[in-house]
Amino acid sequence: GIQVEQSPPDLILQEGANSTLRCNFSDSVNNLQWFHQNPWGQLINLFYIPSGTKQNGRLSATTVATERYSLLYISSSQTTDSGVYFCAVYNFNKFYFGSGTKLNVKP
Amino acid sequence: EAQVTQNPRYLITVTGKKLTVTCSQNMNHEYMSWYRQDPGLGLRQIYYSMNVEVTDKGDVPEGYKVSRKEKRNFPLILESPSPNQTSLYFCASSPGFLLGTQYFGPGTRLTVL
Repeated sequence: GIQVEQSPPDLILQEGANSTLRCNFSDSVNNLQWFHQNPWGQLINLFYIPSGTKQNGRLSATTVATERYSLLYISSSQTTDSGVYFCAVYNFNKFYFGSGTKLNVKP
Repeated sequence: EAQVTQNPRYLITVTGKKLTVTCSQNMNHEYMSWYRQDPGLGLRQIYYSMNVEVTDKGDVPEGYKVSRKEKRNFPLILESPSPNQTSLYFCASSPGFLLGTQYFGPGTRLTVL
């Protein structure tokens, strides 16, 4: 299967700071998604982004499929951004998740 | 409200006692999937279904069964649970594998003693 690597594994930010999370994958994919798992365990969709750039408020994402990576940008971070961020890719009918980036935003 | 529901949310059971975790979606989605989440390992796909009566193994199918008799339901069956199946389980659905994102249920925390 596809290998999905996320970096950094852990990130501590002061409220208001910006950050970039990275997702590398080992093969061509048909679908890439970013999710946020909040401290209560709920998985929330952020972006469906197999290629190109999308923005939603303070969050934006870019996927360069030909170079096999995606980036998630968080600007002006807030304490409610804390949690784990996962990217997931789809290839040959299956989804593969990275191990996540654990973000802690301090007030 | 568009949603994916799972039941039960929490379950403590003993080794070998068959159990079923139900999953239902009301969005008329074709693709449904089960995942388990273990610390440090992210989410791993157990089984998926492309449509009614079409199911296939994901990355970690051993010890699990599924069925898809109706479009909205996708139950996960553990015929003989073992302690290594203690985990957090998520069901998800999407319009199609290339059509948009997955929507996740709230999760089921299973403990097998």
